[in-house]
Amino acid sequence: AQSVTQLDSQVPVFEEAPVELRCNYSSSVSVYLFWYVQYPNQGLQLLLKYLSGSTLVKGINGFEAEFNKSQTSFHLRKPSVHISDTAEYFCAVSERGGGFKTIFGAGTRLFVKA
Amino acid sequence: NAGVTQTPKFQVLKTGQSMTLQCAQDMNHNSMYWYRQDPGMGLRLIYYSASEGTTDKGEVPNGYNVSRLNKREFSLRLESAAPSQTSVYFCASSRDYEGDTQYFGPGTRLTVL
Repeated sequence: AQSVTQLDSQVPVFEEAPVELRCNYSSSVSVYLFWYVQYPNQGLQLLLKYLSGSTLVKGINGFEAEFNKSQTSFHLRKPSVHISDTAEYFCAVSERGGGFKTIFGAGTRLFVKA
Repeated sequence: NAGVTQTPKFQVLKTGQSMTLQCAQDMNHNSMYWYRQDPGMGLRLIYYSASEGTTDKGEVPNGYNVSRLNKREFSLRLESAAPSQTSVYFCASSRDYEGDTQYFGPGTRLTVL
């Protein structure tokens, strides 16, 4: 069965600084990988996803993530954050051939300071 | 185009009471899901419906029942609420293939006293 570990529960960072949110997964088969963002008092929305092909995936709001199969990681990065990026970020994984089941990580709260 | 809607937004129940959370989507999606979100635990799948007329258990189904009323609507019922069911509940939908994006509703914040 697949699992997801988000290595940091909270990440404080100053505005305009770069940020990396870390995600590792475990699975015995090939996977699809996702990053979702949740702004306060809202539902989740997709930032980006990896299905196949290029391991560098670009998403909305200037975020990107790199799939590293050997390290079973899918870290999320942004070169310069804004106050408006303050939110909770969830990494998620689903297995190819595993149907509709998606496993979410515990979340990383990104707090951008002025 | 409203996407995924959920009612109610907030609810307070006493232990043992029952209630139904409603979810509807207008994107013609085949698959629908119910999750609960608890601090430090991310989202956990309660039940899902891969297509109209089918439902399956997720990770944490105990204490819940679901109904896929039609293609648009997927309800979650708590028959006898317990304090352990205090949580934020999210409904989501997706098209019918693997790797698809899930679209989430705004959530229902439920407190069981």
